[in-house]
Amino acid sequence: GAVVSQHPSWVICKSGTSVKIECRSLDFQATTMFWYRQFPKQSLMLMATSNEGSKATYEQGVEKDKFLINHASLTLSTLTVTSAHPEDSSFYICSASTDMNTEAFFGQGTRLTVV
Amino acid sequence: AQSVTQLGSHVSVSEGALVLLRCNYSSSVPPYLFWYVQYPNQGLQLLLKYTSAATLVKGINGFEAEFKKSETSFHLTKPSAHMSDAAEYFCAVSDLSGGYNKLIFGAGTRLAVHP
Repeated sequence: GAVVSQHPSWVICKSGTSVKIECRSLDFQATTMFWYRQFPKQSLMLMATSNEGSKATYEQGVEKDKFLINHASLTLSTLTVTSAHPEDSSFYICSASTDMNTEAFFGQGTRLTVV
Repeated sequence: AQSVTQLGSHVSVSEGALVLLRCNYSSSVPPYLFWYVQYPNQGLQLLLKYTSAATLVKGINGFEAEFKKSETSFHLTKPSAHMSDAAEYFCAVSDLSGGYNKLIFGAGTRLAVHP
């Protein structure tokens, strides 16, 4: 099956710093990648949709300048949490899909802790 | 707008007992429906999906789900629970608006299996 890899799996950073999370499709070309956020014991909330070579589409209430998304190639999308604060601590999960596929393949997630 | 409701945030069953996790959806167009499982601090694993073919869908690990349009339901079942089934389960509906395949998740149901 299709494999999506996220890196890092977990990261701890100081308040005010920026953190970059990578999402890679290892064996297929992902036209579209999605970024989700999951608070403890809660469901996944879609943050944004990114398409290769174009600007990401953010969901309502998600700050574009705080959560920078770049989808520079068909196998890589990055999420950068800028000027992170403790309230940004969460589990971030990406998924990737192609136009021809009805299934979105998920990465293993990244646990971000801001101290 | 599409939405998913999972009845019961926690379900507890005995090992060997029937597992029934409920999911109802709201959609103005024929939906794609999914069930995912999540183990602690991990990403999501697809159990099964409905994509407008057979209404009874069989998935991995002995799980199956039946799409009932008249009831707008897509309940997940497994005849005999195993200790390893203890996890968080998410029902999701596919939102094809804008040509993108992105998922709207239910709140999740935590399944506990006791001896």
